[in-house]
Amino acid sequence: EPEVTQTPSHQVTQMGQEVILRCVPISNHLYFYWYRQILGQKVEFLVSFYNNEISEKSEIFDDQFSVERPDGSNFTLKIRSTKLEDSAMYFCASSTVVGGGNEQFFGPGTRLTVL
Amino acid sequence: DAKTTQPPSMDCAEGRAANLPCNHSTISGNEYVYWYRQIHSQGPQYIIHGLKNNETNEMASLIITEDRKSSTLILPHATLRDTAVYYCIVKAQGGSEKLVFGKGTKLTVNP
Repeated sequence: EPEVTQTPSHQVTQMGQEVILRCVPISNHLYFYWYRQILGQKVEFLVSFYNNEISEKSEIFDDQFSVERPDGSNFTLKIRSTKLEDSAMYFCASSTVVGGGNEQFFGPGTRLTVL
Repeated sequence: DAKTTQPPSMDCAEGRAANLPCNHSTISGNEYVYWYRQIHSQGPQYIIHGLKNNETNEMASLIITEDRKSSTLILPHATLRDTAVYYCIVKAQGGSEKLVFGKGTKLTVNP
């Protein structure tokens, strides 16, 4: 069964450093998302991406964040200068369509620890 | 904020049906009901969704009341591996595609 994959599973970085989290969505999916979950808190939407551009972003997704689909398979989330409060699980998701049939399939997540 | 209300926790005996309720009294006509679950700290897993008719798939059944103000997710024969947090989410067709997760229901399946 096709699945969303994410690398690395765990990333440790120093405050102020740049990190890139990588995702490989399901191959025939066209819509891509990033969510995050701070330990013990709710899963929060960050951004959605379609046709090589951001379609929606949350207030969390400020200028420190960017997304890119550098090739036909990868979808990345970059945090330019990490803060302690960026420590969280980051989940990538993808879907084939939007609207009523929009089942989003999530990856296993990357645990980001900012020291 | 999430537009649904769920009990914070429930218990179920292994092999029994687990019935997880969700209230969505302000649901609009074009909003679907989605159920996801999250096992420990893994990524959320899609279970099922519906608009107004009852739905069934290999994982679960979704029963939506006639007025659509509440629904119930049914796991017909719960196993220990079904222990997870279950999220009921309403989302409109068209418009924003983001899933708004609440706190969900922590289902514990006991042996």
